[in-house]
Amino acid sequence: GENVEQHPSTLSVQEGDSAVIKCTYSDSASNYFPWYKQELGKRPQLIIDIRSNVGEKKDQRIAVTLNKTAKHFSLHITETQPEDSAVYFCAASMIFNKFYFGSGTKLNVKP
Amino acid sequence: DGGITQSPKYLFRKEGQNVTLSCEQNLNHDAMYWYRQDPGQGLRLIYYSQIVNDFQKGDIAEGYSVSREKKESFPLTVTSAQKNPTAFYLCASSPERGFTEQFFGPGTRLTVL
Repeated sequence: GENVEQHPSTLSVQEGDSAVIKCTYSDSASNYFPWYKQELGKRPQLIIDIRSNVGEKKDQRIAVTLNKTAKHFSLHITETQPEDSAVYFCAASMIFNKFYFGSGTKLNVKP
Repeated sequence: DGGITQSPKYLFRKEGQNVTLSCEQNLNHDAMYWYRQDPGQGLRLIYYSQIVNDFQKGDIAEGYSVSREKKESFPLTVTSAQKNPTAFYLCASSPERGFTEQFFGPGTRLTVL
């Protein structure tokens, strides 16, 4: 099956700085890549997703890039704020809606 | 945060006991999923169901069982065969079979005493 690796496992940034989280996947058949944010004690929520026919997608301060050739995709958060502090998960999907999740990145934004 | 609910929020189990976790959704979604979340790890798929009366094993199905008798409900039973059941369990649903967002419930934290 698919294998998704996510780095780094923890990330500390100063408020206002940018944060980048990277994921790699193993199966070139994967064609849908969502990112979820999970605040402490809460459920994961989708923040952005990208399909394999698109190289980049932006939504305000959040962007995702996809390199199909290299089989990696990244989450970019600009102008970070304390409320961005959470655990972020990437995922890849190739069939149906079966997701393979990365191990998560704990982002800490220091005020 | 409405739409998909899980109960109970916390559950304690003695070794050797089976327990059932509830998951209900009123979003009219066809597909439902169960994940297990352990500290420092991502979400791992236990079972999923694309339609009523049909379900498939995920990556870590051993020691778990499910049923899908109604579209709105997808209960998960953690059996005594699951050797390390202490974890956070998340249920999710999605509206269609294609690639789309999965909506998560609030989770159930299971602890084996």
